[in-house]
Amino acid sequence: GENVEQHPSTLSVQEGDSAVIKCTYSDSASNYFPWYKQELGKRPQLIIDIRSNVGEKKDQRIAVTLNKTAKHFSLHITETQPEDSAVYFCAASKGGGGSNYKLTFGKGTLLTVNP
Amino acid sequence: GAVVSQHPSWVICKSGTSVKIECRSLDFQATTMFWYRQFPKQSLMLMATSNEGSKATYEQGVEKDKFLINHASLTLSTLTVTSAHPEDSSFYICSARREAAGYTFGSGTRLTVV
Repeated sequence: GENVEQHPSTLSVQEGDSAVIKCTYSDSASNYFPWYKQELGKRPQLIIDIRSNVGEKKDQRIAVTLNKTAKHFSLHITETQPEDSAVYFCAASKGGGGSNYKLTFGKGTLLTVNP
Repeated sequence: GAVVSQHPSWVICKSGTSVKIECRSLDFQATTMFWYRQFPKQSLMLMATSNEGSKATYEQGVEKDKFLINHASLTLSTLTVTSAHPEDSSFYICSARREAAGYTFGSGTRLTVV
């Protein structure tokens, strides 16, 4: 099955700096790569996603890049703010029916933005 | 947007009893829902895929007789933790996939077995 590796497990940055979180996946058939932000005790919230037919996507301060050949994708947050502090998860899934749609998550990155 | 409602948000039960958790898609039909378990400071681990009108598909290592899943309609899936024990205490989250709109998560259920 799919295996998603995520690094780093913790990341501490100063307010205003950029943060980068990287993930690799194992199944070349995966074609959908979302990123989630989860605050303590809350549900994961989708912050950005990318499909395999696109190499980069940006939404204001957040961007995601995808390298299909190398099977890795990254989350970039610019001009970080204290409210960006949370756990971030990458995930991967592939098209198809039923269980093929299941998401496989990375282990998460605890991002701390220091004022 | 796609909304998934999950109840209860938290529950405390005695060891040996059963607990049912509901997951509803409020504004769309979900033929497939997913149930995850999350331990503190860990990632979401998929337990099973719930398919409307058919048996759930369980991930390796998940006891299907202990974690009963029923997906009787296009808007409701339930997870029943049977004969709960303290080690079943965890955060359980459901998710539904909406065509061309990605995945939406329920608010989660904090289960504490005492």
